[in-house]
Amino acid sequence: QKEVEQDPGPLSVPEGAIVSLNCTYSNSAFQYFMWYRQYSRKGPELLMYTYSSGNKEDGRFTAQVDKSSKYISLFIRDSQPSDSATYLCAMKKTSNTGKLIFGQGTTLQVKP
Amino acid sequence: DGGITQSPKYLFRKEGQNVTLSCEQNLNHDAMYWYRQDPGQGLRLIYYSQIVNDFQKGDIAEGYSVSREKKESFPLTVTSAQKNPTAFYLCASSIGADLPTNEKLFFGSGTQLSVL
Repeated sequence: QKEVEQDPGPLSVPEGAIVSLNCTYSNSAFQYFMWYRQYSRKGPELLMYTYSSGNKEDGRFTAQVDKSSKYISLFIRDSQPSDSATYLCAMKKTSNTGKLIFGQGTTLQVKP
Repeated sequence: DGGITQSPKYLFRKEGQNVTLSCEQNLNHDAMYWYRQDPGQGLRLIYYSQIVNDFQKGDIAEGYSVSREKKESFPLTVTSAQKNPTAFYLCASSIGADLPTNEKLFFGSGTQLSVL
């Protein structure tokens, strides 16, 4: 069983839809949770960063962490064609130097 | 214009050949990383370096080697011992390798390596 599971999709939605992207994990030692966005054949870029449980909002993006269920989500409101990309969740244990564990990535397509 | 530069963008390897992927950063970051990305498998850590002249193996280091002679540079060599080298290779850096400075990774644009 992988430490971090993410549905690879692809997920296709119409422009303006609310998108929900999710990851589950098995190790309760994870404390730091991130979402990276990766456009085709480019390097990922950090989108959202959350420590422990709770919600964090940044514009149209909301990151949610539920440590009791070992489940994290990224919500995108009013989705745009420019949001079409692969979204990777990543997480880290407090004790781990240099080691981020990534999910497989979910490919999102927003159709105009 | 600060960032991470990877070269080449595309690389082809012949059987039994070693190839070296270049990674240079001008962000003055101490920590640098190499990840491998295969379709449907996310990113897997190959090697990382916290400081010049020091580096550690990641999860899939076999068949790879690195050096860190300068702070700005962290080249990755894919040796002939790596039997399945076809993948997208990503170099990254962070301010440090320990929390809380390493949660934000800055990535290069990647190198696609293929076997001839």
